[in-house]
This record gives sequence, structure tokens and C-alpha cells, in this order.
Amino acid sequence: QLQLQESGPGLVKPSETLSLTCTVSGGSISNSTYYWGWIRQPPGKGLEWIGSIYYSGSTDYNPSLKSRVTVSVDMSKNQFSLKLRSVTAADTAVYYCARDYSGGLGPFDYWGQGTLVTVSS
Amino acid sequence: DIQMTQSPSSLSASVGDRVTITCRASQTITRYLNWYQQKPGKAPKLLIYAASSLESGVPSRFSGSGSGTDFTLTISSLQPEDFATYYCQQSYSTPPTFGGGTKVEIK
Repeated sequence: QLQLQESGPGLVKPSETLSLTCTVSGGSISNSTYYWGWIRQPPGKGLEWIGSIYYSGSTDYNPSLKSRVTVSVDMSKNQFSLKLRSVTAADTAVYYCARDYSGGLGPFDYWGQGTLVTVSS
Repeated sequence: DIQMTQSPSSLSASVGDRVTITCRASQTITRYLNWYQQKPGKAPKLLIYAASSLESGVPSRFSGSGSGTDFTLTISSLQPEDFATYYCQQSYSTPPTFGGGTKVEIK
């Protein structure tokens, strides 16, 4: 059974960089069928797609975040990662990693449990 | 970006009720429409993809329909475990976008 698990700091200071890693188990991140994505959800609000990556390293980002986001993949560790620079309180959210089986735009069929990241000094 | 608008934003229903949730796209997305269920403190769960295809393991009381700009998620007979928030999501063009959610509460 495929499992995804987010990891990283739960508290980040304003203007710093948020860094999260998603570890995939029960399947290979280099499977050419799938993309791998990051989605976030501010407390009490809806879902926002951040970006997706293919095992080859090809990426697609939400234009609203593109200038601050980098998603990368490490096939040797079966992981993919998110970096979000220059964070503000508006970036406080639960961050989810997910598998995407159709080209980077969803549907997202497997999700991690999510990790809350709070931006505060 | 394609805007996804769900209605209603919340509803109250009883066990056994038939429930319908609507999702409208700001432009045509053909059938690139997915539905998710989210319970408090949990990740979303994929229910329906490509407008009407039931994800493996999802009960058959869930169904989806529609094409173009207007879509519907129907729960034929609401069960206690179905009280949750439901989101639609378009996968027609980047960036993929989600509706604002419909919270289904117990009457």
C-alpha cells in the first residue's frame, strides 16, 4: 500500500524559507505513470495547489507562488521536497504531499497525513 | 485561473437522505472534474475522478455527473460516516483549482 509522509519544521520565522520533505513508501517515485504534488490548506479554509514534479525533474508551479517555490525530487531516497521562500503569516497552513496520476493536474489519489506549518516569530 | 464555485457552502441532512452538491467552473473543463471528501483533521480522499468515475473502494452511493461547466456530486443515501466537507477540483488546465467546499452536517 502506497504511503506518503510529510516531514519538516512546524514553525518558521517570517522572511525565512519553509522546507518540507515527502517520503514515499510502498511504491517508487520513479514510476513514469505518476506526478507528485504539494497542496496546502490554511486553517479553516480551502485547498490550494502549490506545484507538482515528475520523476525526471520536470516541474509545474502555481503562478501565484511560482516566484517563491522550488519542488525537487531525490529518487535515491524516494522523496520529493518543497521549498517556499520569504514566508509570511499568510503561508501558515497544513501542507500535504500527494500522488497525481494524470499529468500534474490531478486527480490526487494518495495523500500524506499533512503537516501544519506556522509562520511566526 | 479557472474558478470553481460550489453550492451550497453547507447543508444539513439526515441519515438516509439523498444529497446533491453542485460545482460550476468559470469556463469549460469538459469532464476534467474530481471530487474529494475531507473529514476534520484528515487529508482529502478522492471519491470521483473524470466527472463520473468512482475511485476504487468508494461506496456506490456516491456518484458524479456533468460536463462542460456544471457538475454534480450525489450521495444517494447519506450514512453517518459521510458527514464531512466535499471539494471539487478541476484538472483541465494549470493551475489545478479547488472549489470552496461544501460542509455536510447532521440535521
